[in-house]
Amino acid sequence: EDKVVQSPLSLVVHEGDTVTLNCSYEVTNFRSLLWYKQEKKAPTFLFMLTSSGIEKKSGRLSSILDKKELFSILNITATQTGDSAVYLCAVSGAGGGSNYKLTFGKGTLLTVNP
Amino acid sequence: NAGVMQNPRHLVRRRGQEARLRCSPMKGHSHVYWYRQLPEEGLKFMVYLQKENIIDESGMPKERFSAEFPKEGPSILRIQQVVRGDSAAYFCASSPGQGARNQPQHFGDGTRLSIL
Repeated sequence: EDKVVQSPLSLVVHEGDTVTLNCSYEVTNFRSLLWYKQEKKAPTFLFMLTSSGIEKKSGRLSSILDKKELFSILNITATQTGDSAVYLCAVSGAGGGSNYKLTFGKGTLLTVNP
Repeated sequence: NAGVMQNPRHLVRRRGQEARLRCSPMKGHSHVYWYRQLPEEGLKFMVYLQKENIIDESGMPKERFSAEFPKEGPSILRIQQVVRGDSAAYFCASSPGQGARNQPQHFGDGTRLSIL
């Protein structure tokens, strides 16, 4: 059975701090790893990673995948209160069509205090 | 709004009633996925549908739950004879069709189902 473990489960930081969120996984026939940000409503897509060692970057957020060690990290620099959310890691495995049957971790609850 | 649309946002049912949850995918998307999120748990895959076809329903309970994605209209997740344990947030996601591999799933705001 596919499995995703995120750590830490929760994290409290001050504005301006840098945080690193971790995601390790076990999946059959890996296709991709995705990061989402979930505030009160819909999980919002952040990154999709398919290849090892290639950093994806969007503003203050960046992520990288290690397919040999089966983990990914999500970095957020110069955190702001608006970064407070649950960050979800998901992996997709075998199957046809586009991204199929995502397996999610329980998420990391990030709280950024002013 | 071109995003994934789910309705209703909140649904309250008494034990034994039926719940119908609707999902309209993003424009141009023909793949629909349903997930359930229980309190303190991650999102769990339930079912994957394309137009008029159920591709994978391995995450959906065998009894009382069904899903469809007709040729016209939204995808429907139907729960018959609801029980308290069905209380959860139900999320729908969509992605483009076969011609656009490695595209992420985009999620709707979810339906919060409460069973009295």
